[in-house]
Amino acid sequence: SQKIEQNSEALNIQEGKTATLTCNYTNYSPAYLQWYRQDPGRGPVFLLLIRENEKEKRKERLKVTFDTTLKQSLFHITASQPADSATYLCALDKENSGYALNFGKGTSLLVTP
Amino acid sequence: NAGVTQTPKFRVLKTGQSMTLLCAQDMNHEYMYWYRQDPGMGLRLIHYSVGEGTTAKGEVPDGYNVSRLKKQNFLLGLESAAPSQTSVYFCASSTAGTDFYEQYFGPGTRLTVT
Repeated sequence: SQKIEQNSEALNIQEGKTATLTCNYTNYSPAYLQWYRQDPGRGPVFLLLIRENEKEKRKERLKVTFDTTLKQSLFHITASQPADSATYLCALDKENSGYALNFGKGTSLLVTP
Repeated sequence: NAGVTQTPKFRVLKTGQSMTLLCAQDMNHEYMYWYRQDPGMGLRLIHYSVGEGTTAKGEVPDGYNVSRLKKQNFLLGLESAAPSQTSVYFCASSTAGTDFYEQYFGPGTRLTVT
């Protein structure tokens, strides 16, 4: 079955550094991959989508890479700020489910001043 | 534009009681979804709908029913609540087309079954 793995351990980094989060998947050939941000007590918010034929996507301080050979996506936040502290979810298209998503469990990021 | 709204925000039920969670979206989206989120489990798909009048089962459909009588609304019903259904429920919607699109999530409903 489709399996998505994200670092369960929280990532603590200092303000101004680059945060890198990892999403690995198995038993899967997704057509696209998405990253969401979730703050405590709130619903996920979409950040970026990258397609299987794209290697890299950028949006302001965010960058996503997608390596279909390694079955891995990396999510980078450059010049991180305390306001970037949140849980980040990786999601891939769910087979035969009308564009529903299969989510990873998320990685918690804490950016300290 | 309110986006995706969910009613109620919080609810406590006793085992065996029933309730309906309401999801509404004002973005004219074709697709709507219900997920549940539990600690250590991530978001799991309960049911989804690809259009008005159509619904389908997701990953964890047992104990839930859904209806999509109007395009903008997607209802999730619990006929006989069980403690295992204690969770945070999120509704989401997305547009349809030939490309891939992001999902818009509601604020969630926190349900406790005692």
